[in-house]
Amino acid sequence: AQTVTQSQPEMSVQEAETVTLSCTYDTSESDYYLFWYKQPPSRQMILVIRQEAYKQQNATENRFSVNFQKAAKSFSLKISDSQLGDAAMYFCAYRSASSGDKLTFGTGTRLAVRP
Amino acid sequence: EPEVTQTPSHQVTQMGQEVILRCVPISNHLYFYWYRQILGQKVEFLVSFYNNEISEKSEIFDDRFSVERPDGSNFTLKIRSTKLEDSAMYFCATELAGSYEQYFGPGTRLTVT
Repeated sequence: AQTVTQSQPEMSVQEAETVTLSCTYDTSESDYYLFWYKQPPSRQMILVIRQEAYKQQNATENRFSVNFQKAAKSFSLKISDSQLGDAAMYFCAYRSASSGDKLTFGTGTRLAVRP
Repeated sequence: EPEVTQTPSHQVTQMGQEVILRCVPISNHLYFYWYRQILGQKVEFLVSFYNNEISEKSEIFDDRFSVERPDGSNFTLKIRSTKLEDSAMYFCATELAGSYEQYFGPGTRLTVT
């Protein structure tokens, strides 16, 4: 079974600075998808960014980018120019491309943004 | 922008009662999911549903749980004989075929007393 690990329960960043959230995963599959979801205090899960395992190029969505290291099974999220609205819980998630369509989530990282 | 909606936002029920949680998917989305999140914990998969059938379910999804799409639009999760440990936030997610992206609703907070 696949597992997703987020080793940073909490992180803090100064507004306008850059922060990186870590995620590692364990799988024997070669083809899969990785996601970062944001959960603000409203508790709605919002898709931030996704990465296909077969793509070498790291995904980017505006201020959000990932560092995908397939061999190391690492998938970190970088938030540039942090804003107060970025304060939330961030979950890393794994999805197989071939065996089932469920998302397997990590335990999350709570990000605080200091004004 | 289309959104997944869920009702009710909060449901309080007594142990042993039945509850039905409702989800309206984004139009044209054909894959449906339920997840739950116990307060302070990670999000856990319950069940996936496609073409009026369960595709996959987790060990959490026992005989007390059922899903259906009764009228071609709503997607429901029914929990019979509720237990205290069923108290959680329940999220519906839907997916457009081929997109591999699941979009979540705002959740229903279920409190079993």
